[in-house]
Amino acid sequence: AQKITQTQPGMFVQEKEAVTLDCTYDTSDQSYGLFWYKQPSSGEMIFLIYQGSYDEQNATEGRYSLNFQKARKSANLVISASQLGDSAMYFCAMRDGNTGGFKTIFGAGTRLFVKA
Amino acid sequence: DTEVTQTPKHLVMGMTNKKSLKCEQHMGHRAMYWYKQKAKKPPELMFVYSYEKLSINESVPSRFSPECPNSSLLNLHLHALQPEDSALYLCASSQDAGLSYGYTFGSGTRLTVV
Repeated sequence: AQKITQTQPGMFVQEKEAVTLDCTYDTSDQSYGLFWYKQPSSGEMIFLIYQGSYDEQNATEGRYSLNFQKARKSANLVISASQLGDSAMYFCAMRDGNTGGFKTIFGAGTRLFVKA
Repeated sequence: DTEVTQTPKHLVMGMTNKKSLKCEQHMGHRAMYWYKQKAKKPPELMFVYSYEKLSINESVPSRFSPECPNSSLLNLHLHALQPEDSALYLCASSQDAGLSYGYTFGSGTRLTVV
């Protein structure tokens, strides 16, 4: 069965420092996509970054990078040079072919607090 | 236009009321989704429409009724809701159901059932 696990309910980071948010996943499918979303207190979910299961290089989008370790089934999000506006809930998510790609499942989320 | 627009932003309704949530996108996306999110929890999938056809219904109670009148519009009709249905309702869209497409979410409707 599909599963996403985020073990850090809350994280603190000093402004301008880097932070890693952990995510492990489980799926029986060879084809899948991994995603990270940010949800500020306003409620809107914002798509940050995508990693495909066959991608050999780690995905990067500006200050966001995804540390993809396929053998360990982990897809950690690295945020470099943290900013106060990065304070939000972060969700790791996955889609796989078992459901025709229609379903995205989300982890429980990690609340990130950026300190000035 | 790279937005998903949801209306209303807030809704308070009684248990005997009928109301509708509306979601609109003009990005040409062919898959649209309704999610329900309780406080401090991840979003839970309710319905998926792909090319205007209902593809997934996650065993949602019949008091929630989705409708996709055209490729840009998605509605969620509400009737005889319970207080436990109070939540943030998020609409999302993606180019299609392909595995590599992230979702564009609307800002949600905060629903309170009294």
